[in-house]
Amino acid sequence: SVLLYQKPNRDICQSGTSLKIQCVADSQVVSMFWYQQFQEQSLMLMATANEGSEATYESGFTKDKFPISRPNLTFSTLTVNNARPGDSSIYFCSSRPGTGVYAEQFFGPGTRLTVL
Amino acid sequence: GDSVTQTEGLVTLTEGLPVMLNCTYQTIYSNPFLFWYVHYLNESPRLLLKSSTDNKRTEHQGFHATLHKSSSSFHLQKSSAQLSDSALYYCALSDRGTNTGKLTFGDGTVLTVKP
Repeated sequence: SVLLYQKPNRDICQSGTSLKIQCVADSQVVSMFWYQQFQEQSLMLMATANEGSEATYESGFTKDKFPISRPNLTFSTLTVNNARPGDSSIYFCSSRPGTGVYAEQFFGPGTRLTVL
Repeated sequence: GDSVTQTEGLVTLTEGLPVMLNCTYQTIYSNPFLFWYVHYLNESPRLLLKSSTDNKRTEHQGFHATLHKSSSSFHLQKSSAQLSDSALYYCALSDRGTNTGKLTFGDGTVLTVKP
């Protein structure tokens, strides 16, 4: 298994500001994933981040709005630029031990963001 | 691309009754890997169970599901619901194309079990 920690647990920010969400794994992992979840709705994959390369973004998410860094095999940062009330949601990072497609994916505790 | 459909957004039932949450999928790959994740309030989503070979049942914590490739389904079942089963349940499909472990999630089903 892999344990994931996120910081902060929650944040409240003003529209137009930027904020960073950190994700730390307790072991080295190849891929880290970032998800967005609106209240009791689906987990939407935002991007996949591998060490040393640019993150791969899913449709509807852009590098300019949600830049992601992955400087090493245990760490990733998601930034929300020019935050808007519509960005208010929970952000989860996730990863899995190993590289098989059948490997269980583990999730961090989530960061609840409220944009005023 | 891959897709997962969960037809029920909300299921409410009485404790002791059977549970069935529907999940169907679409993928071009002949050997899909399906997962059920459970998400309790104020916790992280976690794996409940994952598919095995075609027509083989997998079980965990009283829940079971069988992958049926003929109908592209992986429905979640339990014989007797408990109050503690109340949660959000996601069906997910692993991306066989990129081999990154990327998951495509269904919209989720909120299960509420009442006394």
